[in-house]
Amino acid sequence: DTAVSQTPKYLVTQMGNDKSIKCEQNLGHDTMYWYKQDSKKFLKIMFSYNNKELIINETVPNRFSPKSPDKAHLNLHINSLELGDSAVYFCASSPQSGANVLTFGAGSRLTVL
Amino acid sequence: AQSVTQLDSHVSVSEGTPVLLRCNYSSSYSPSLFWYVQHPNKGLQLLLKYTSAATLVKGINGFEAEFKKSETSFHLTKPSAHMSDAAEYFCVVSERGGSYIPTFGRGTSLIVHP
Repeated sequence: DTAVSQTPKYLVTQMGNDKSIKCEQNLGHDTMYWYKQDSKKFLKIMFSYNNKELIINETVPNRFSPKSPDKAHLNLHINSLELGDSAVYFCASSPQSGANVLTFGAGSRLTVL
Repeated sequence: AQSVTQLDSHVSVSEGTPVLLRCNYSSSYSPSLFWYVQHPNKGLQLLLKYTSAATLVKGINGFEAEFKKSETSFHLTKPSAHMSDAAEYFCVVSERGGSYIPTFGRGTSLIVHP
């Protein structure tokens, strides 16, 4: 039973399309995150939600919109996809915001053609 | 403000020899420090964490790290490398008392030769 699950695992799409990545955690954690990992393996935080409330919103284009329907889910919607959006997107959760251990999903590899 | 610097982008060792992956941090508050490992095409897994208890922290798979405040370092070590240790390793800092945003280093790729 996967603790943090992301779907889809792979996503190939054309520039200009809109796509979503879903994330669910069954750990009972209060805080969820989206990270972007580029081709050089650098991990950059994009968003964080604590109990459905946005607490971190880094300098991410407006085309990216997170949505948290409940504290177990954090979805990422991307409008008007660009080539530079190609990356691996990781969802993570932690018991609460703060210096807690992150539990990561397996990642969603997005390729924009 | 917090930051973390992993001093080597690649480290290459032979199987059975010691591993040293270096990490320096900067923090305005008392930091929590973590090491995560990412095997190829996988998510990240926690190796170990420091949160103000013992300065020598033991983790999984024989790894350990020592928090040295005077040197602002949190280097990861293992006495004897195994082929299965080949992976990407990330040092992470999170300020207790600050913004708590976990900040990742740029990663160190560990290569293990037979």
